[in-house]
Amino acid sequence: EAGVTQFPSHSVIEKGQTVTLRCDPISGHDNLYWYRRVMGKEIKFLLHFVKESKQDESGMPNNRFLAERTGGTYSTLKVQPAELEDSGVYFCASSQGTGTREAFFGQGTRLTVV
Amino acid sequence: GQQLNQSPQSMFIQEGEDVSMNCTSSSIFNTWLWYKQDPGEGPVLLIALYKAGELTSNGRLTAQFGITRKDSFLNISASIPSDVGIYFCAGRYYDNAGNMLTFGGGTRLMVKP
Repeated sequence: EAGVTQFPSHSVIEKGQTVTLRCDPISGHDNLYWYRRVMGKEIKFLLHFVKESKQDESGMPNNRFLAERTGGTYSTLKVQPAELEDSGVYFCASSQGTGTREAFFGQGTRLTVV
Repeated sequence: GQQLNQSPQSMFIQEGEDVSMNCTSSSIFNTWLWYKQDPGEGPVLLIALYKAGELTSNGRLTAQFGITRKDSFLNISASIPSDVGIYFCAGRYYDNAGNMLTFGGGTRLMVKP
């Protein structure tokens, strides 16, 4: 069974440009999470989808970030326009159902804004 | 928001030594998790703790959920070179908003053969 996959693995863009990150969760997993780790700091929650609905987006930094999960399958996270402080590693995770089923993480997308 | 203080930030040890790291919080959690991240990979779950006072082992790893629900530790016995990586603690407090994780800042472990 394929794990959580993220594309691209690395992205280098200039300040002001737009970048779209993609996450393909494990098949059948209703829960999809986005997290971000800014260099040397803790991994921080961004948002949580249950199927196609946003359950919790309290961690989204500002309105330059837009997450979607059309059809409840894969998800995209768009940053527009990107700023220098958006650099970091963006992780996606997915889990089945609710309760104590822990999430599996993807390998992350390293975003560098120059 | 909730914060986890994880220490130490980094450790450089000799192969064969035991390792201990911990996380503390001013808030209580219902769940404590320990993850390991290898370079270029995402965090992989090592141990999950669901009950205050719970002590769980996974091979050479042992973790405990503090009785106050505000702390947890992870011990690695007889370290080997492949233990190198970043270890993260994470806590979860269930509420109506969902089940997001709050992570510690990570402990970077380096093992000298």
